[in-house]
Amino acid sequence: GAGVSQSPRYKVTKRGQDVALRCDPISGHVSLYWYRQALGQGPEFLTYFNYEAQQDKSGLPNDRFSAERPEGSISTLTIQRTEQRDSAMYRCASRPEGSREQYFGPGTRLTVT
Amino acid sequence: RKEVEQDPGPFNVPEGATVAFNCTYSNSASQSFFWYRQDCRKEPKLLMSVYSSGNEDGRFTAQLNRASQYISLLIRDSKLSDSATYLCVSSFSGGYNKLIFGAGTRLAVHP
Repeated sequence: GAGVSQSPRYKVTKRGQDVALRCDPISGHVSLYWYRQALGQGPEFLTYFNYEAQQDKSGLPNDRFSAERPEGSISTLTIQRTEQRDSAMYRCASRPEGSREQYFGPGTRLTVT
Repeated sequence: RKEVEQDPGPFNVPEGATVAFNCTYSNSASQSFFWYRQDCRKEPKLLMSVYSSGNEDGRFTAQLNRASQYISLLIRDSKLSDSATYLCVSSFSGGYNKLIFGAGTRLAVHP
């Protein structure tokens, strides 16, 4: 079946621009997570949703970062006024109810120039 | 100090070897633990959960020592296809909310 999909797969943007990263979870998965992964490091938690409710946004680095999941399915992570330090792989994961396993998507590689 | 710490490796082993990775976690409130596998330029995938009593899945054995706050993964009879980065993961709530990842240990199995 279809896995988690993310778009775009690659995004190059200039410093100061806003970007929106999209995540399409596995159909029926209740929970959706956003992580950021730097080269040579493990994923770092940003935020997560159960259905449309944002349950924890403690990992968002600052108020330039926001996320939404308005209909409990697709989610968008928005970064405003991007900075070079925002360059990383942004990964989305989803989890079905009752399972402990999070299924990761292929990620969006963001480069801020 | 990172919440989950691992030896980055790389561990270079011949096919058929047994290799063990350790990981330590700093927060005693952590409830659940996992090993994820990440192939080069791919997404992480769950390898196995780690239970207090220890658990085995084929050639893979995971153990948890809560008193010492460390987790281990043993791979027996290594295959070329085991070459990957192994991520040690903790969670406060059974994996239902955020996962806390270590930086990963790289394994390279050679013929």
